[in-house]
Amino acid sequence: AQSVSQHNHHVILSEAASLELGCNYSYGGTVNLFWYVQYPGQHLQLLLKYFSGDPLVKGIKGFEAEFIKSKFSFNLRKPSVQWSDTAEYFCAVNSGGTSYGKLTFGQGTILTVHP
Amino acid sequence: EPEVTQTPSHQVTQMGQEVILRCVPISNHLYFYWYRQILGQKVEFLVSFYNNEISEKSEIFDDQFSVERPDGSNFTLKIRSTKLEDSAMYFCASRTGQGRAAFFGQGTRLTVV
Repeated sequence: AQSVSQHNHHVILSEAASLELGCNYSYGGTVNLFWYVQYPGQHLQLLLKYFSGDPLVKGIKGFEAEFIKSKFSFNLRKPSVQWSDTAEYFCAVNSGGTSYGKLTFGQGTILTVHP
Repeated sequence: EPEVTQTPSHQVTQMGQEVILRCVPISNHLYFYWYRQILGQKVEFLVSFYNNEISEKSEIFDDQFSVERPDGSNFTLKIRSTKLEDSAMYFCASRTGQGRAAFFGQGTRLTVV
């Protein structure tokens, strides 16, 4: 069974600091990878996704993530965070061969950005 | 931008009662999902629905759970006899097809007392 692990439960940064949130998954086959964000009181929104091709993917709001297949990792990065990035971030995986798209989520990382 | 909408946003029910959680997926989407998140735990997959039938379900999705797409627009999750441990945030999601990411609703917080 596939699983997803996010390294940090809570990250606290000051504005303009750089961000890297770790995500590792365990699954031997082809995977599709996602980062979702949940702002306070709002629904889960897609930040970015990787299906194939360039392992460095760019998403909305200046976020990017790099898929490193050999490390089973899909870390999320942003060079300079803003107060408005305060939210909970979820890494998720589905098996590339599964046509129905079930997602397996990590436990989430709460990001708090201080102005 | 089209959205997945869920109602109600918060439901309180007594143990043993039946509840129906409602979702309106995005109109041209073909795959539909329910997930739940118990407070402090991971978001967990419950069930996927495609072509008017369940395509995959988790171990959590036992006989007390059922899903329906009664009218081509709504997608419902029914819990027949709620237990205290069913208290959670329930998320509905939908997507168009393969190679597409899922869109999530804002969730229904279910509290069983």
